Amino acid sequence: GAVVSQHPSRVICKSGTSVKIECRSLDFQATTMFWYRQFPKQSLMLMATSNEGSKATYEQGVEKDKFLINHASLTLSTLTVTSAHPEDSSFYICSARDLLAGGYTQYFGPGTRLLVL
Amino acid sequence: AQRVTQPEKLLSVFKGAPVELKCNYSYSGSPELFWYVQYSRQRLQLLLRHISRESIKGFTADLNKGETSFHLKKPFAQEEDSAMYYCALGVTGGGNKLTFGTGTQLKVEL
Repeated sequence: GAVVSQHPSRVICKSGTSVKIECRSLDFQATTMFWYRQFPKQSLMLMATSNEGSKATYEQGVEKDKFLINHASLTLSTLTVTSAHPEDSSFYICSARDLLAGGYTQYFGPGTRLLVL
Repeated sequence: AQRVTQPEKLLSVFKGAPVELKCNYSYSGSPELFWYVQYSRQRLQLLLRHISRESIKGFTADLNKGETSFHLKKPFAQEEDSAMYYCALGVTGGGNKLTFGTGTQLKVEL
């Protein structure tokens, strides 16, 4: 089946540093990837839609300069949390939409836990 | 704007009892509904979608457009069903994104 990986699985960083999270579709091509944020015991909040070869589409209230998204290939999207602060600590999850499957089918990565000290 | 509502944060049932996880939605377009499940320490995975009209792991869900609901049901709960369940609504345009409900934690007790 379709597999999505994320790296790193967890990261601890100092306040003010930038952190990059990678999302890869391992056995399928994904023109569209999605980045979510999940707070403890809460739902997934869509942050942005990442489109291969074009600019990401951010949801209302998400700072595009804070959360930089790059989707340089059909199998890789990256999320960079710039100048991270403690309030950015969260669980970040990516998903990828299979180009060939179409529709709404999304395959989810295992998530990345970010802790900003 | 679209919205998905799961009124129960926690649902606790005994093994063998019927299960119904509620989901209501509001959307002006033609809805596509999904149920995703997240087992402990695992990633989110698709359980079923309304267009498939299938039964997965004994679970079924019927889209009721009149009541704008997509409740998830299983006649006899199993211990391994304990997990977090999310109802999601597919929104056309903008990459076909999903809007998730807040989730319901299902706990099946022996």
